[in-house]
This record gives sequence, structure tokens and C-alpha cells, in this order.
Amino acid sequence: SQQGEEDPQALSIQEGENATMNCSYKTSINNLQWYRQNSGRGLVHLILIRSNEREKHSGRLRVTLDTSKKSSSLLITASRAADTASYFCATPYTTGGNNRKLIWGLGTSLAVNP
Amino acid sequence: TAGITQAPTSQILAAGRSMTLRCTQDMRHNAMYWYRQDLGLGLRLIHYSNTAGTTGKGEVPDGYSVSRANTDDFPLTLASAVPSQTSVYFCASSETGGRGQPQHFGDGTRLSIL
Repeated sequence: SQQGEEDPQALSIQEGENATMNCSYKTSINNLQWYRQNSGRGLVHLILIRSNEREKHSGRLRVTLDTSKKSSSLLITASRAADTASYFCATPYTTGGNNRKLIWGLGTSLAVNP
Repeated sequence: TAGITQAPTSQILAAGRSMTLRCTQDMRHNAMYWYRQDLGLGLRLIHYSNTAGTTGKGEVPDGYSVSRANTDDFPLTLASAVPSQTSVYFCASSETGGRGQPQHFGDGTRLSIL
């Protein structure tokens, strides 16, 4: 019952380049979230964009949301080796009544080469 | 730093044995979650608790049980482990449950069932 799907599955770039990864989802959402997971570690929340927002920035991160296409993109500008990680999108889905849980995509694995 | 502590970090367990994975948070978050992360399947919700004293089933609850006696602790028990439960288990929390809020993760328990 996967809600979000990221693409590409894997991305390899040089340090200093920009990295763009995309997420598509299936149902209506009230927000979409992006997380990073470094190897062997837990997920870390990066940014949340609400359904009435089209773009949001946080440092070198830029997230866009197109609810008509049910898609979001995460742009990392001027990438660094430390950005090497897997990136996941997550969207709330309703399990019944007002109970919402997050459902996760399979992630994009980003390698930033020095 | 504040956050979620999981123990043990890794474990090898014989099939048929029982085990409890521990999770403690110091953020006074109301909601807590248990996920398993498997290659190709992503993060899947096992059980959750929106507040102390209540629990709910997630996407893959069979073979697992949880309790939430207080705000800080949310242990996950495997009563009789099977090889298909080999996975990385993550505990997470959010300020409130049921609204799809951002979640904070521990660094996981890597469990191998032989």
C-alpha cells in the first residue's frame, strides 16, 4: 500500500552539482514530508510542505509540490559529500476517522562524489 | 542530545525465541511508532500508539506486540521469532498522533533471526 514513489531510485553526482529527486503519490494529502537517512542511521526529517504551498526552502533544500500532478520534488543545491544518503518522501494517509499515519516511498539513494 | 534511544543496536536470535526491542524517548511526545525497514519494501508500520495507554495495529502487526505503559517507553515484543522477521526495526515519535506530523527516529535495531 505504498503511497509515495521516488525517482530516480539512485543518483550519482559530483560535489557542487545540484541533485533533484522526485516523489509521486496517489491520494489527496494535507502535507508531504522529506526525510534523509544516512547509512546505518535512522531517518531525519528535512522539510514539510503543506498542500496549500507550492514551494518551500530550507538552507540548500528546495521542495516543490504540485497537487494537480500529485508530485513533489526535492532539490539539493551545491551538493556536498555529506549529502550522500537515501532520501524518502512520506505522506499522511487516513486509517479511519481522523487518524492519519505516514506512508513512505522506497527512497532515492544519492551518492555525491568528491 | 534529546531524542529516541533504541536497544539493542543489533541482535542475532534463534528462531522460536522471544525478544523485546526497547525504545525510549525524552521529548515527551504523545505518539510513538514501530517500523520495519526491508530492502525493496521500504518502511512499514508495525504498531503505533497515539498516547500512553493506547496502541493500534499498523500495516504488518502479525507476530509482534507492543505496550505503552507511560509516555516515554514503547517496547516491541516478538513472542516467537521467525526468519521472516529479520529486518531493521525503527522506533519513532511525533508530538501528537493521528495528524501525519513529522516523526523523529531512533537509529534502529538490526535483528537477524536464524
